[in-house]
Amino acid sequence: AQKITQTQPGMFVQEKEAVTLDCTYDTSDPSYGLFWYKQPSSGEMIFLIYQGSYDQQNATEGRYSLNFQKARKSANLVISASQLGDSAMYFCAMREGGTGGFKTIFGAGTRLFVKA
Amino acid sequence: DSGVTQTPKHLITATGQRVTLRCSPRSGDLSVYWYQQSLDQGLQFLIQYYNGEERAKGNILERFSAQQFPDLHSELNLSSLELGDSALYFCASSVDSGGRGTDTQYFGPGTRLTVL
Repeated sequence: AQKITQTQPGMFVQEKEAVTLDCTYDTSDPSYGLFWYKQPSSGEMIFLIYQGSYDQQNATEGRYSLNFQKARKSANLVISASQLGDSAMYFCAMREGGTGGFKTIFGAGTRLFVKA
Repeated sequence: DSGVTQTPKHLITATGQRVTLRCSPRSGDLSVYWYQQSLDQGLQFLIQYYNGEERAKGNILERFSAQQFPDLHSELNLSSLELGDSALYFCASSVDSGGRGTDTQYFGPGTRLTVL
């Protein structure tokens, strides 16, 4: 069963506008962490933002914010004031415990295109 | 620059061969993680080591093995290589302070393996 679902294979956004990338997750562990990573065409994986399952407030890091809705099991990434350099693949990930230790599971990713 | 280094950057080899990928974690990080990113499977967690000991295991084939040395660098050994093993292999590291699901993983630049 899919544990992390990113339903948008590709997204377009106009430069300087905000965009929301969707992520839903599934876990029975009450303690987990949610992450977003950016992968530009050069291939490296860049950490963007983190949200803990017990965090009361939504995480923010500069132009990135995470819209965490625990009851709905969603952790959408919001990028404000998009820039051309934001064009990349974005991955949502969840770290959870269980038999065999903690594992990080990644979604399939959303490719974001920022238009000038 | 995440502070995680991986060598080599590119590796081309033939089926049936064995290769070793190397990773040096960020200074102070005790945990090392290995991931495989392929077009058909996405980003898959392989294995985690913490301070020299195996901590978690994911979808790692029996032909693959890893270890973490006393200086905390890690090596991923891939043997009896098949065409399907061609992928981008990432190493990541984290402090792993013991918090459940809270440790951000910082990724290295990856090793692109091509099996011909």
